[in-house]
Amino acid sequence: AQTVTQSQPEMSVQEAETVTLSCTYDTSESDYYLFWYKQPPSRQMILVIRQEAYKQQNATENRFSVNFQKAAKSFSLKISDSQLGDAAMYFCAHTNFGNEKLTFGTGTRLTIIP
Amino acid sequence: DTAVSQTPKYLVTQMGNDKSIKCEQNLGHDTMYWYKQDSKKFLKIMFSYNNKELIINETVPNRFSPKSPDKAHLNLHINSLELGDSAVYFCASSQGDRRGNTIYFGEGSWLTVV
Repeated sequence: AQTVTQSQPEMSVQEAETVTLSCTYDTSESDYYLFWYKQPPSRQMILVIRQEAYKQQNATENRFSVNFQKAAKSFSLKISDSQLGDAAMYFCAHTNFGNEKLTFGTGTRLTIIP
Repeated sequence: DTAVSQTPKYLVTQMGNDKSIKCEQNLGHDTMYWYKQDSKKFLKIMFSYNNKELIINETVPNRFSPKSPDKAHLNLHINSLELGDSAVYFCASSQGDRRGNTIYFGEGSWLTVV
């Protein structure tokens, strides 16, 4: 069974600084997909970034980028130039190719300090 | 235009009652899901449907019965509600070709059983 582990229940960062959220996962498959979702206080689940395991290049979306280490099964999210609107719960998630089931980590609550 | 919409957004009801949550997506997706987020923010899949056909059923009590009248709708009916059913229920949809497509979530339905 797939598992996703987020070892940081809470993180905080000064506004305009950079923060990295950790995620590790476990799968026996070689082809899979990884995601970071953001959940602000409104509870809406918003996709932040998506990574295909067969791609060696790390995905980036504006201020958000990932460090994907396939051998280590690690998928961390880096947020640059943190903004107050980045404050939210961040969930790492995984799904295997050929499967529609998304497995989530337990989340990291990110606080932005003005 | 809301891509995945679910109603009601908030629901407070007594133990033993039966309630339904409705979900509609206008993205043209083939696959729809129900996820449950418990009080500790843990998100877990309950069901998924592809073109009205059930493809994932994650050991959910049979008091929970999903129904998909067409591929744009997936409703969740819950019988004999229990205190432990209190949670946020998220409807979601994706392209459904099992290639790790992004799953789009609704805003959630916050169910409180008293």
